[in-house]
Amino acid sequence: GQNIDQPTEMTATEGAIVQINCTYQTSGFNGLFWYQQHAGEAPTFLSYNVLDGLEEKGRFSSFLSRSKGYSYLLLKELQMKDSASYLCAVRDQDSTLTFGKGTMLLVSP
Amino acid sequence: ETGVTQTPRHLVMGMTNKKSLKCEQHLGHNAMYWYKQSAKKPLELMFVYNFKEQTENNSVPSRFSPECPNSSHLFLHLHTLQPEDSALYLCASSQDRGGHEQYFGPGTRLTVT
Repeated sequence: GQNIDQPTEMTATEGAIVQINCTYQTSGFNGLFWYQQHAGEAPTFLSYNVLDGLEEKGRFSSFLSRSKGYSYLLLKELQMKDSASYLCAVRDQDSTLTFGKGTMLLVSP
Repeated sequence: ETGVTQTPRHLVMGMTNKKSLKCEQHLGHNAMYWYKQSAKKPLELMFVYNFKEQTENNSVPSRFSPECPNSSHLFLHLHTLQPEDSALYLCASSQDRGGHEQYFGPGTRLTVT
């Protein structure tokens, strides 16, 4: 099975940088995903890591260390519209996704 | 708009009612999923269909019954639900069972009274 841990809430200021951490314990690892979910809306895909290192996509970057069971999502130049829940999800060898509880990010002016 | 639609968006039902949730994907995907999202709990996988065949049932009570008539449509039939079944029910699809990202629909907010 999988056990995924991420902070419940974070706050940051518009224009700043924020890092959302995710740690996991897994019986079989086959990739890690980050999703963004605005209140009342569908989760939308942000990033995918299966190898160690940093994946950059515009203002968002995601990092993975498989040996440490650790990932982070880095958001730069924060905007008000980035206020949302950020979900960390781990995929196992059977391609099943297990989600963390999500981190609610509040961006203030 | 992710290419996955769900109806209804909101549903209130009594414990003795029978209702169905519908999901449709316009992405040409072969795998479809039902998830349950409750307050302060992680997304929970309920059912998986790959090429119209059910490949996973995550110990879901029999009062939830899925149906996948073709690769584009997925239903969740509900009967004799309990108040604790109130949650957001999300449908998702991916290219296939081993595909990378899943695309989610907007969900059905279900309230059981």
